Amino acid sequence: TQLLEQSPQFLSIQEGENLTVYCNSSSVFSSLQWYRQEPGEGPVLLVTVVTGGEVKKLKRLTFQFGDARKDSSLHITAAQPGDTGLYLCAGNFITDKLIFGTGTRLQVFP
Amino acid sequence: DSGVTQTPKHLITATGQRVTLRCSPRSGDLSVYWYQQSLDQGLQFLIQYYNGEERAKGNILERFSAQQFPDLHSELNLSSLELGDSALYFCASSVPMGGYTFGSGTRLTVV
Repeated sequence: TQLLEQSPQFLSIQEGENLTVYCNSSSVFSSLQWYRQEPGEGPVLLVTVVTGGEVKKLKRLTFQFGDARKDSSLHITAAQPGDTGLYLCAGNFITDKLIFGTGTRLQVFP
Repeated sequence: DSGVTQTPKHLITATGQRVTLRCSPRSGDLSVYWYQQSLDQGLQFLIQYYNGEERAKGNILERFSAQQFPDLHSELNLSSLELGDSALYFCASSVPMGGYTFGSGTRLTVV
């Protein structure tokens, strides 16, 4: 059974701080996605990474895929209250079925 | 708007009952994925359909079943409901560059 562990599970920070969320697995991903979910809504796709070592930037968000394609990180610079939400990583292992991580709940206070 | 439509938005029912959740995928998308999200289990893959055929199965209980119709909409049937079935149920379509686009979900409450 493939498992995706995310850390930390909860993160509570002040506006303007930086943070990093981690996603780890013992298996190799064929691709990995990051999603953000707000209460009562479905997850929204932020980014897909495919190549080991790949780095993608989306405004203040930086996504990195590990060289061995077993781990990933999401770094947010100068967090804002609008970044509040549940961040989920999800990976494909050979098939197109996505396995989701345990989630990181981020709260950014003004 | 993700283009994935789920109905109903909320459902409250009693234990032992049966409900049907409906999903219309993005226009032209042949795949439908069903997920269950509960507080203690996170997002769990239930089942995938592709062009009317079951393609992959996850942690779906025998009391649950799904199908995809010729017009590509899908229904998830949950029967003999238990309190523990209370959760958010999402369906999703795949996107060309990888990943999914999700509907806004059906919140099922079993009382």
